[in-house]
Amino acid sequence: SQQGEEDPQALSIQEGENATMNCSYKTSINNLQWYRQNSGRGLVHLILIRSNEREKHSGRLRVTLDTSKKSSSLLITASRAADTASYFCATDRGSNFGNEKLTFGTGTRLTIIP
Amino acid sequence: DSGVTQTPKHLITATGQRVTLRCSPRSGDLSVYWYQQSLDQGLQFLIQYYNGEERAKGNILERFSAQQFPDLHSELNLSSLELGDSALYFCASSVGGRENYGYTFGSGTRLTVV
Repeated sequence: SQQGEEDPQALSIQEGENATMNCSYKTSINNLQWYRQNSGRGLVHLILIRSNEREKHSGRLRVTLDTSKKSSSLLITASRAADTASYFCATDRGSNFGNEKLTFGTGTRLTIIP
Repeated sequence: DSGVTQTPKHLITATGQRVTLRCSPRSGDLSVYWYQQSLDQGLQFLIQYYNGEERAKGNILERFSAQQFPDLHSELNLSSLELGDSALYFCASSVGGRENYGYTFGSGTRLTVV
């Protein structure tokens, strides 16, 4: 079953605009991560935010985490055509050794229009 | 190159057949994870190995099995294949331990069952 649900499922914006994607999850977590997947390729790790953090930045990426609402958002600023991809959130729920698998959300398909 | 190697990249086979997918993790990573990605099911966790031992099992069918060898490479065996098994199969690796700091994904094996 999916732990995370991304919203929206699909998003199209003009190049240069900001893109915001949201993720909701169901259980307590150690951390939440965002990944990018270009069509048919492997996923690439973008950023990790721990459960005791509220906001994190990496380049043009900003991630927020609200554990009380069990939700996270990913903001991509000044979008570029190369940002066109699917974006997934993933949660690490395990606190026991060896139970550190990630559970992925359903993904947001982002299209940047040149 | 992510450092995780998956072979083959593409596989076309007939229903009822058996195939083996292979994964070499990134150097230094002890955990290997297998995921299935299909259009209607998203990214589904199949199974995890840590340093040769099975650690977690997800939605893996009884027709599927996996193992991790002493050199840490892993194989996913799919047997009695059905049309519905057509999907992208990803291997990912991580250092392993109590918390997951992020996966490194391979480029996947696209399996087509005809």
